[in-house]
Amino acid sequence: DGGITQSPKYLFRKEGQNVTLSCEQNLNHDAMYWYRQDPGQGLRLIYYSQIVNDFQKGDIAEGYSVSREKKESFPLTVTSAQKNPTAFYLCASSIVPTGGEETQYFGPGTRLLVL
Amino acid sequence: AQSVAQPEDQVNVAEGNPLTVKCTYSVSGNPYLFWYVQYPNRGLQFLLKYITGDNLVKGSYGFEAEFNKSQTSFHLKKPSALVSDSALYFCAVRDYPSYSNYQLIWGAGTKLIIKP
Repeated sequence: DGGITQSPKYLFRKEGQNVTLSCEQNLNHDAMYWYRQDPGQGLRLIYYSQIVNDFQKGDIAEGYSVSREKKESFPLTVTSAQKNPTAFYLCASSIVPTGGEETQYFGPGTRLLVL
Repeated sequence: AQSVAQPEDQVNVAEGNPLTVKCTYSVSGNPYLFWYVQYPNRGLQFLLKYITGDNLVKGSYGFEAEFNKSQTSFHLKKPSALVSDSALYFCAVRDYPSYSNYQLIWGAGTKLIIKP
């Protein structure tokens, strides 16, 4: 099956702890994205990457970090600097944006909760 | 400033009746418009998109959307609602090429409830 997988489905973070969310895709997409979803709000972009070893900050990058060592993988680390991390995190991928019409495809999400 | 508005937090429709979920947008360039659906605790699924051409776009699961440039709207429609259509619906726009062409601007979502 082609698609995007995210793990774990649920993640619990203790205060002061860094946690890493996994995102893997086998769609052969070059671009990958991380979004945060809070109730009653639209999706907010945390980070995006168009190519291996390159990524850019989105609107709410503070307290988060990413890496892109492989085309298929784009892990997100929620650091202790993120004071309100409780949210639903969504990973997406697409072909490289060129003409603006590219569709983003989403993984099933990871719900992060603070203990 | 670029924005997307979904004016209704919730829409209630009886099964078998037509449904409409509203979306309006504000961009400075060309709008590329998208609709996604999200079931509880799941990721978003792509329904349809408008890029150019015919103003009526047909998508997955019997949904369609009409692009209206003069009203800056892109409402999602379905002629006959199913209980299984109950979900959260998101409208998004990409303002091309005026805004970063990587980013989608998202509406806050509309909860659609279909009653048997």
